[in-house]
Amino acid sequence: GESVGLHLPTLSVQEGDNSIINCAYSNSASDYFIWYKQESGKGPQFIIDIRSNMDKRQGQRVTVLLNKTVKHLSLQIAATQPGDSAVYFCAEKRIDDKIIFGKGTRLHILP
Amino acid sequence: DAGITQSPRHKVTETGTPVTLRCHQTENHRYMYWYRQDPGHGLRLIHYSYGVKDTDKGEVSDGYSVSRSKTEDFLLTLESATSSQTSVYFCAISGRLGDSRNEQFFGPGTRLTVL
Repeated sequence: GESVGLHLPTLSVQEGDNSIINCAYSNSASDYFIWYKQESGKGPQFIIDIRSNMDKRQGQRVTVLLNKTVKHLSLQIAATQPGDSAVYFCAEKRIDDKIIFGKGTRLHILP
Repeated sequence: DAGITQSPRHKVTETGTPVTLRCHQTENHRYMYWYRQDPGHGLRLIHYSYGVKDTDKGEVSDGYSVSRSKTEDFLLTLESATSSQTSVYFCAISGRLGDSRNEQFFGPGTRLTVL
């Protein structure tokens, strides 16, 4: 069936190091993949998206990589800061415009 | 701030009672969505709207109905609340002219407890 999932529920990273959050998907009929950040007590916040015909996209301190061969998506955060502590969701936007979310990875920043 | 509010922010109700949650937006976004968020499930789409009086079902629509009589308001109704509908409900909007349709803006959430 269709699913968007995550490899690890919790990731702990030293402040200043790079973070890599991974996501696997099974539905190939999506035109975009999206990353969201959710801080405690708040709604999710859009970070970056990537079109399905691309393999890399960079934003401010973030890079998303898409490997369609193995149906894998990752979010890289450079020089992780305390403010990056949150739950990160990958999501896929299907061609009918529905956005299906994964279950989330909690990023914990170590001082 | 994308100008999206939800009301109420917290509600406790009893099984079998009707409940209506309201999402209000001020920036003329075309698309509106209702999600629920539960531990272990992430966010799941309940219903969405792509315009006034145009709505469609999401992944978990059973037990919920929606209405959108004007651009700025999207109502989610639980006709007869059940304990399984205890959750945090998020409204989201997207599709303002010039914005990416992938960029959804989320409201602050409504915590609903059904006893």
